[in-house]
Amino acid sequence: RKEVEQDPGPFNVPEGATVAFNCTYSNSASQSFFWYRQDCRKEPKLLMSVYSSGNEDGRFTAQLNRASQYISLLIRDSKLSDSATYLCSDGQNFVFGPGTRLSVLP
Amino acid sequence: DAGVTQSPTHLIKTRGQQVTLRCSPKSGHDTVSWYQQALGQGPQFIFQYYEEEERQRGNFPDRFSGHQFPNYSSELNVNALLLGDSALYLCASRDTGEWGYTFGSGTRLTVV
Repeated sequence: RKEVEQDPGPFNVPEGATVAFNCTYSNSASQSFFWYRQDCRKEPKLLMSVYSSGNEDGRFTAQLNRASQYISLLIRDSKLSDSATYLCSDGQNFVFGPGTRLSVLP
Repeated sequence: DAGVTQSPTHLIKTRGQQVTLRCSPKSGHDTVSWYQQALGQGPQFIFQYYEEEERQRGNFPDRFSGHQFPNYSSELNVNALLLGDSALYLCASRDTGEWGYTFGSGTRLTVV
């Protein structure tokens, strides 16, 4: 069983829409997680960390649900520039999910 | 301030050969990790170096080895290359007190 799982998508949403991704994990001992953004043929870039209290940064909100062992990323008012693959990883950055591809359409 | 730099950017090798990839971490970062990313997949953790020692290792064979130098730069060596080793190899660094990593732009290795 994979330790971190994500729906690969693609999620195709219109500009201005709200979109949410989930990432499930199997290691119940993990205390924190990260969301990274990866553009096509580029390196991952750290988007935000996720701890028990959740995290919000502008249009982006990340939350952790320990009971169901998943983390979520919510993007409000999607922009064309949000089109990318979103990767989640465990707090140690030893395990990454396969990524969820988002396409924001004009 | 330069971020994480990796060299070379692209490399083509023949099956059975050996390869060395290089990484200079971001200024102020002392921990370096290496990842392999196949097309369409997430990064797979190879190993992590801190204080010139391998601290954690992922599920990769002994053909994959590394080194960290006193200036925190690092090398990834892969022996007896297989076609399946073709991938993007990413180096990432962080400061000990941080959690998230800064990634380099990677070395794209093609084994033919």
